[in-house]
Amino acid sequence: KQEVTQIPAALSVPEGENLVLNCSFTDSAIYNLQWFRQDPGKGLTSLLLIQSSQREQTSGRLNASLDKSSGRSTLYIAASQPGDSATYLCAVRPSVNYGGSQGNLIFGKGTKLSVKP
Amino acid sequence: DAGVIQSPRHEVTEMGQEVTLRCKPISGHDYLFWYRQTMMRGLELLIYFNNNVPIDDSGMPEDRFSAKMPNASFSTLKIQPSEPRDSAVYFCASSFRQAIPSGNTIYFGEGSWLTVV
Repeated sequence: KQEVTQIPAALSVPEGENLVLNCSFTDSAIYNLQWFRQDPGKGLTSLLLIQSSQREQTSGRLNASLDKSSGRSTLYIAASQPGDSATYLCAVRPSVNYGGSQGNLIFGKGTKLSVKP
Repeated sequence: DAGVIQSPRHEVTEMGQEVTLRCKPISGHDYLFWYRQTMMRGLELLIYFNNNVPIDDSGMPEDRFSAKMPNASFSTLKIQPSEPRDSAVYFCASSFRQAIPSGNTIYFGEGSWLTVV
């Protein structure tokens, strides 16, 4: 069964610092991995999507990497800003059937990031 | 487009009452998902529809939960009777051609915050 884990559950950093959020998954049989951002009281917004054949994706100050064989992904945020404060979730799209939900996203519980001015 | 629209945003109800949550997906999207988010279990897929047809409801926790999609622009998630353990944030999300492994972006609504007392 696919399980997605994000450690730490919470992270606090001073403004300007570069930081890395971690995501691990137990089964490498995935189509892709996505990183989402969730602001308090809001829904999820997709940030980056990495296909299983890719190693990384970049968008602005964000860079996501994927090591499928080891079951790991990282989200790198450069020069963090207070506006980056949010919960970041990763999700994998399995390429095998886990009892009926084939192909649907399986989420980690997220890392709550706080960037202090 | 206004995005995925959910109502109500917040609801407090007494145990045993019927709860109906509503969702309007993004126009043109052919997949609709209902998720539940709790601190303990994170984000869980309850059910999803393709072209208004329920495809997988294996995530629906009990017979007290039911979901319908009478047309392409409206879906409901109903809990009857509600229980305190149903307290959670319920998200609706939609996407276009979700089945394609490349993984088109999924768009989330802002959620319905349910408290059952």
